[in-house]
Amino acid sequence: DAMVIQNPRYQVTQFGKPVTLSCSQTLNHNVMYWYQQKSSQAPKLLFHYYDKDFNNEADTPDNFQSRRPNTSFCFLDIRSPGLGDAAMYLCATSVRTANEKLFFGSGTQLSVL
Amino acid sequence: GNSVTQMEGPVTLSEEAFLTINCTYTATGYPSLFWYVQYPGEGLQLLLKATKADDKGSNKGFEATYRKETTSFHLEKGSGQVSDSAVYFCARSLRDSSYKLIFGSGTRLLVRP
Repeated sequence: DAMVIQNPRYQVTQFGKPVTLSCSQTLNHNVMYWYQQKSSQAPKLLFHYYDKDFNNEADTPDNFQSRRPNTSFCFLDIRSPGLGDAAMYLCATSVRTANEKLFFGSGTQLSVL
Repeated sequence: GNSVTQMEGPVTLSEEAFLTINCTYTATGYPSLFWYVQYPGEGLQLLLKATKADDKGSNKGFEATYRKETTSFHLEKGSGQVSDSAVYFCARSLRDSSYKLIFGSGTRLLVRP
């Protein structure tokens, strides 16, 4: 019954080697979000899509990109991962605004060697 | 600025003890306030929310009251259960962005039998 699915659960990459994290949803929600969560810190919004409209947070590094080829799927691309990019990456959805309710996936834990 | 501050964890309680997790926020405008919970191995899920001053959100025996005068939204439960063991995140919305939640850093709660 999983509604927001993130794969893989654990991802290991090498310093500087591009990596893609994936998220899919069965809820048909308009909005998809990517959050970065480092250990014992608050989840930090990287960007979101409202339908196909991409919205980047001002302090999101250029190293992070995203694609949403259709309603169901959204990808997070890290072009050249650094050691500081090791974190849990959370995907979430909402019907419209975050003031309603966010539905989160279980996250992908990224390690950078 | 916009921020959410939670009490540091872990908070350890005995089963059936009164449970409280503190949360305060900095306020510009009138945000909506939320508590999200993350059980082990799962994504964050909305526990309760309140959209205006003096509102009380409640769910699964938990309550939190939107206190504008003290800029607080403390989470309480009269009798904790082992199954309440999780990480709890307080969050606030932003008036100038319907898509962004500001999360606190989370409080780990451990309820022992």
